[in-house]
Amino acid sequence: GAGVSQTPSNKVTEKGKYVELRCDPISGHTALYWYRQSLGQGPEFLIYFQGTGAADDSGLPNDRFFAVRPEGSVSTLKIQRTERGDSAVYLCASSPQGGANTGELFFGEGSRLTVL
Amino acid sequence: GDSVTQMEGPVTLSEEAFLTINCTYTATGYPSLFWYVQYPGEGLQLLLKATKADDKGSNKGFEATYRKETTSFHLEKGSVQVSDSAVYFCALIYGNNRLAFGKGNQVVVIP
Repeated sequence: GAGVSQTPSNKVTEKGKYVELRCDPISGHTALYWYRQSLGQGPEFLIYFQGTGAADDSGLPNDRFFAVRPEGSVSTLKIQRTERGDSAVYLCASSPQGGANTGELFFGEGSRLTVL
Repeated sequence: GDSVTQMEGPVTLSEEAFLTINCTYTATGYPSLFWYVQYPGEGLQLLLKATKADDKGSNKGFEATYRKETTSFHLEKGSVQVSDSAVYFCALIYGNNRLAFGKGNQVVVIP
């Protein structure tokens, strides 16, 4: 499809396990964002890529969280030693270069992570 | 830090009723303001925006006016339809290309 694609849509894991969440942005969009949405809350910023580099990772909660975008397209969010508090919907968004300055981000449907 | 606050709780109303969802912001300066909507089974999408004080954003019959005096950006629609049932998020831009979202309001329109 033409939209932002995220996989898996649902992931259930056990505490302490490693998890990867994948985002395939809209073709040609150079900016890519990860947000996290906990139950009853709005999305919270995690990290922003411009091309291959992380332009702003100030929203990552701790060093268990890491994200890459090696070829400037697909991105993977990696969570080590998962904890129950990591349970949330992880949203990916993309935009044309500088898109967030216009506020128009194109979001995927999210990956729901449940840590037991 | 910069943030937005939305009114508490879901909103349930009948078709053709008037809808208002309140949003107030706290910010240094005057950031661009947005309303995003999430329809069931879909990703968040931009509904409307305003980039400066007194600007009015509008789309699909929804409107919101950037009020500097009251630091507000309330969303309104004069006659809602069942298809407007969704979750609505107020947001602002802050820092380095980041959006700060409110908690969202579930809107349920009953036929």
